[in-house]
Amino acid sequence: DGGITQSPKYLFRKEGQNVTLSCEQNLNHDAMYWYRQDPGQGLRLIYYSQIVNDFQKGDIAEGYSVSREKKESFPLTVTSAQKNPTAFYLCASSFGGLREQYFGPGTRLTVT
Amino acid sequence: GENVEQHPSTLSVQEGDSAVIKCTYSDSASNYFPWYKQELGKRPQLIIDIRSNVGEKKDQRIAVTLNKTAKHFSLHITETQPEDSAVYFCAAPLGESGGGADGLTFGKGTHLIIQP
Repeated sequence: DGGITQSPKYLFRKEGQNVTLSCEQNLNHDAMYWYRQDPGQGLRLIYYSQIVNDFQKGDIAEGYSVSREKKESFPLTVTSAQKNPTAFYLCASSFGGLREQYFGPGTRLTVT
Repeated sequence: GENVEQHPSTLSVQEGDSAVIKCTYSDSASNYFPWYKQELGKRPQLIIDIRSNVGEKKDQRIAVTLNKTAKHFSLHITETQPEDSAVYFCAAPLGESGGGADGLTFGKGTHLIIQP
């Protein structure tokens, strides 16, 4: 299961706190993605990045922020502005274009 | 943007029978359609994908068919086994390029249950 890692596996935070989720890949992939998964729902795209120092908003970017300072890393910050942050967060990477997206093991965030 | 509908939400079949899951999409420019399998508590994993220049692709017991005119694609699993029990997601490219570089939009998933 190596290649793309996420930490931590479980994360608990109080409402009003920002929290940063880690995503690292050693697959030499150019593109990286963050998805959110809620029970009974498909995956929804939060942000994506096709190259270093560049990223774009997905369908549900409000309340989230990202950075892409290194090719290997694409951290996601869940801010206090996100109204329903409790969810399963999945990071993915690919060579881009018509190529397979490889998913990390996910981080389950619970905010109370 | 792209919209993907997936049916059914739950599918129960007897072991050894076939299972079919169907998806429709809205953007005629989309040209890449992957299927992911997700076991409980685990990451989604690609099981098969198809590009718009072919109508069907097979990999052992799994096949995907694509009808670009009707804008739908289907996953077929033959001779189902207990290890096929999982949630299956279809997806299509999210961005205007149609090719997936801008991320994917997913269906809501089908919970496939294989009855012994």
